[in-house]
Amino acid sequence: DIQMTQSPSSLSASVGDRVTITCRASQSIYSHLNWYQYKPGKAPKVLIYAASSLESGVPSRFSGSGSGTDFTLTISSLQPEDFATYHCQQSHTLPWTFGQGTKVEIK
Amino acid sequence: QVQLQESGPGLVKPSETLSLTCTVSGGSISNYYWSWVRQPAGKGLEWIGRISTSGITHYNPSLKSRGTMSVDTSKNQFSVKLSSVTAADTAVYYCARETHVGISSILINWYFDLWGRGTLVTVSS
Repeated sequence: DIQMTQSPSSLSASVGDRVTITCRASQSIYSHLNWYQYKPGKAPKVLIYAASSLESGVPSRFSGSGSGTDFTLTISSLQPEDFATYHCQQSHTLPWTFGQGTKVEIK
Repeated sequence: QVQLQESGPGLVKPSETLSLTCTVSGGSISNYYWSWVRQPAGKGLEWIGRISTSGITHYNPSLKSRGTMSVDTSKNQFSVKLSSVTAADTAVYYCARETHVGISSILINWYFDLWGRGTLVTVSS
């Protein structure tokens, strides 16, 4: 299986901060990388697919970059509704695998 | 808009079979892959498997052949059964829709574009 490693596992930030989360794959996955936002009790939500494509309806402050093994999710200006857990997921090879998640908390 | 809702017992005894159903409302179940993903408390997400509306299935080998998925297009539902459960199968179970986009002339990217809210299943006697 392809292992996905996210960092950091958690971070504290303030509203307005620029936040960067990284995801590393154990082998090249080209651009087969997706990002999701999780909030307790809510349906998870896709933010970015194919490494850098913004899902329809997702605010433009979210962006993704990278290819091969190293990827980044950036929130350009953190908003109150962005405090959540973020997961990356590879869709290059079955079984699909996820990173362990990054919890973004209020500073 | 299309919504997904998981349903099933919240408590299952060890060695028994866990059964969950996902109901798709507000749209057709046809022409997609439908997946199950779970998250044990304090752990990462694990993809269980997926099924197409034509019945093609893919399972995570980590389940060691304990998983079975089915789809009922007449009811707009798909289901998963996990046999011989243990405490390690205690988790929040999510159903999700998979879609895909082309990222080159020969490559496509799959991703989960819709999710249910999840349902907690506890394995305990």
